[in-house]
Amino acid sequence: AQSVTQPDIHITVSEGASLELRCNYSYGATPYLFWYVQSPGQGLQLLLKYFSGDTLVQGIKGFEAEFKRSQSSFNLRKPSVHWSDAAEYFCAVGANQAGTALIFGKGTTLSVSS
Amino acid sequence: DVKVTQSSRYLVKRTGEKVFLECVQDMDHENMFWYRQDPGLGLRLIYFSYDVKMKEKGDIPEGYSVSREKKERFSLILESASTNQTSMYLCASSRGGNYNEQFFGPGTRLTVL
Repeated sequence: AQSVTQPDIHITVSEGASLELRCNYSYGATPYLFWYVQSPGQGLQLLLKYFSGDTLVQGIKGFEAEFKRSQSSFNLRKPSVHWSDAAEYFCAVGANQAGTALIFGKGTTLSVSS
Repeated sequence: DVKVTQSSRYLVKRTGEKVFLECVQDMDHENMFWYRQDPGLGLRLIYFSYDVKMKEKGDIPEGYSVSREKKERFSLILESASTNQTSMYLCASSRGGNYNEQFFGPGTRLTVL
């Protein structure tokens, strides 16, 4: 069965420092992978997605993610973090053949220190 | 601007009450979803619908039912609310086809006393 693991529950990064959030997935075929962000009191917003092709995917707000099939990973990166990036981040994988439902990881909370 | 709205941001109900959570989207999306979000557990899919009057169980459907009589509206029903259903409930919608972006509402924080 498909699953998603986000190993880090909480990460603190200094403003201006680089960021990497980890995501590992379990899926038999080529996965559909997503990163969503949830700011406090808000719903989730899509940052980026990977379906096929170039394994380095660019998203909104300066984020990127790299798909590594050999490591079953889809880590999210940002070269320089801003205080407004403090939020909860969720990795997700496509869950069913119909192409509708997603399985979400448990999330990583990012805190940004000044 | 695309929009998913949920009927309440905060709701307090008593054990045993029947609870309706409403979700409306204005994007003419085929798919709609109800998730439950709990600290440390992430988002868990309760039910989803890919068309009017069609529904599919997600990972945790027990204690919940859904209704989709119109394309834009997807209701989550707690037939007899229990304290373990205290949670944040998120609604989302997406276009039909493979894994299109899901647009989320702001959530309803439900407390069952």
